[in-house]
Amino acid sequence: AQTVTQSQPEMSVQEAETVTLSCTYDTSENNYYLFWYKQPPSRQMILVIRQEAYKQQNATENRFSVNFQKAAKSFSLKISDSQLGDTAMYFCAFMNLRIGNEKLTFGTGTRLTIIP
Amino acid sequence: DAGVIQSPRHEVTEMGQEVTLRCKPISGHNSLFWYRQTMMRGLELLIYFNNNVPIDDSGMPEDRFSAKMPNASFSTLKIQPSEPRDSAVYFCASSSTSGGLYAQYFGPGTRLTVL
Repeated sequence: AQTVTQSQPEMSVQEAETVTLSCTYDTSENNYYLFWYKQPPSRQMILVIRQEAYKQQNATENRFSVNFQKAAKSFSLKISDSQLGDTAMYFCAFMNLRIGNEKLTFGTGTRLTIIP
Repeated sequence: DAGVIQSPRHEVTEMGQEVTLRCKPISGHNSLFWYRQTMMRGLELLIYFNNNVPIDDSGMPEDRFSAKMPNASFSTLKIQPSEPRDSAVYFCASSSTSGGLYAQYFGPGTRLTVL
């Protein structure tokens, strides 16, 4: 079974700083996807970024980028030039791409607070 | 384009009553997922459908829970009878497997309180 671990329950940074959220996972599979979701106080789950395991290039979406280390089973999220609107819970998630299984396994989340 | 639509947004009911949660996926998406979020257990998948067919229902807690997807644009999650431990936020999500996208897009959730 796959497990996803987010070891930082809470983090806080000053506005405009850069912050990195960590995520590790455990799997015996070779073909999978990794995701970061953001859940602001409105509780809406918002997809932030996605990484295919077969791609060596790290995914980037504007101020959000990942550091994907497949051998180390690590998938960290970097937020550059942090903004007040980035305050939210951040969940790392794993999807095994074996045929017929699109189940997402989530980590326990990191509560990020951006300080004005 | 409209996102995933869920109704109701809030539901308060008494123990023993039947509860029905509804979901309309994003048009063109062929997979639909029901998740439950609680403080104790975090986010957990209850069931998911692909092309209206249930694929994995291993997360459904017990026989009191049932889910249907009669067509590509509608799904229900029913709890009968409801119990206080069912209190949680229930999310519906949808995705498209064409093109290998697989990204799941979530609805706003239904906050269920069972008294």
